[in-house]
Amino acid sequence: GQNIDQPTEMTATEGAIVQINCTYQTSGFNGLFWYQQHAGEAPTFLSYNVLDGLEEKGRFSSFLSRSKGYSYLLLKELQMKDSASYLCAVMSYNTDKLIFGTGTRLQVF
Amino acid sequence: ETGVTQTPRHLVMGMTNKKSLKCEQHLGHNAMYWYKQSAKKPLELMFVYSLEERVENNSVPSRFSPECPNSSHLFLHLHTLQPEDSALYLCASSQARASNQPQHFGDGTRLSIL
Repeated sequence: GQNIDQPTEMTATEGAIVQINCTYQTSGFNGLFWYQQHAGEAPTFLSYNVLDGLEEKGRFSSFLSRSKGYSYLLLKELQMKDSASYLCAVMSYNTDKLIFGTGTRLQVF
Repeated sequence: ETGVTQTPRHLVMGMTNKKSLKCEQHLGHNAMYWYKQSAKKPLELMFVYSLEERVENNSVPSRFSPECPNSSHLFLHLHTLQPEDSALYLCASSQARASNQPQHFGDGTRLSIL
């Protein structure tokens, strides 16, 4: 089966760095996505990793280790507007489905 | 503006009503999706359409009936829903099904069943 785990809630202060972890179990791994979702709004795409390593996009970076079934989203220089839920999602080529975690709600103070 | 528009944004209906949710994408994508998002639960895939053909029905009750008249439009017809169907219903589209291209989501319809 497929399973994705991420923390339910996290808090951080403005200007700080926060790392949101995601562990997954899946057969036929075909990439991992991170989405940001503000309350009452659409999830928006942040990053995609299919090979091991770090992908950097401005203040946001995403890391993947396929052997460990592990990814993290790193947010630097936190701003109040970064308060949102962050969804980890895994694509499986066995099922052709994108499976989502429950999301991590980040509160920036 | 994500390129995916959903209407209505909010819907309150009784269990015996019939209503429809509408989704339109302006991105030229070939795959469209319906998801259900309930509090403290992961996004649940309901239906997938690829090139206007339904390719996935994820064990969804028959009181939910999708329709895809063309590659830009997707509907979800609702009939005799239950209180547990109250949730946020999200539509998404992508270039192709199961691709490495991200899915683009609409803002969703917040559905409340009385």
